Amino acid sequence: QVQLQESGPGLVKPSETLSLTCTVSGSFINNYYWSWIRQPPGKGLEWIGYIYYSGSTNYNPSLKSRVTISVDSSKNQFSLKLNSVTAADTAVYYCTRGSGWYAYWGQGTLVTVSS
Amino acid sequence: EIVLTQSPGTLSLSPGERATLSCRASQSVSSNYLAWYQQKPGQAPRLLIYGASSRATGIPDRFSGSGSGTDFTLTISRLEPEDFVMYYCQQYGNSPLTFGGGTKVEIK
Repeated sequence: QVQLQESGPGLVKPSETLSLTCTVSGSFINNYYWSWIRQPPGKGLEWIGYIYYSGSTNYNPSLKSRVTISVDSSKNQFSLKLNSVTAADTAVYYCTRGSGWYAYWGQGTLVTVSS
Repeated sequence: EIVLTQSPGTLSLSPGERATLSCRASQSVSSNYLAWYQQKPGQAPRLLIYGASSRATGIPDRFSGSGSGTDFTLTISRLEPEDFVMYYCQQYGNSPLTFGGGTKVEIK
């Protein structure tokens, strides 16, 4: 079955760059869209953006100036970079498959922004 | 950006009762591209409904979705103990994709 697993540092300092990777198993990266969604502790869900396996992207305008999503088909992985982070970027970050509705999710990884 | 408003914020019901959750959009959702998710504490959201009314794979038939345009509803026909958790709606007809603020279904 399709499985996604987020990995990356759980603690990032303010003004630095948050970097996460999602490793996909049970599904090839090719021919699908791949997304990132986040959820601040105790709050609702926020769509960050998605990438097609070919490399085309679509980002949330609220984050667009700071976000880069990339894909590495050879490793069956895709990644998220969010620069100039602040405490407001503290959240559980989920990777998902799709560009519309999301049937497959990673378990999520908590990233805390703190000095 | 389409703003989704979910109501009520909290729904207090008993097991076996019917739950009706509302999701109202600030403008019409293109092609009724509206999804519903269930989220248990500490877990990722689980897709229940897509396309406003299509049940996702493996979802029990006590969950149903309806609506069009700006008004959508998730109905749980008979609440089971495991249904007392959080629910979110999401629209994917317009970018940016947006989620509602959620409805918590709690035991009365």
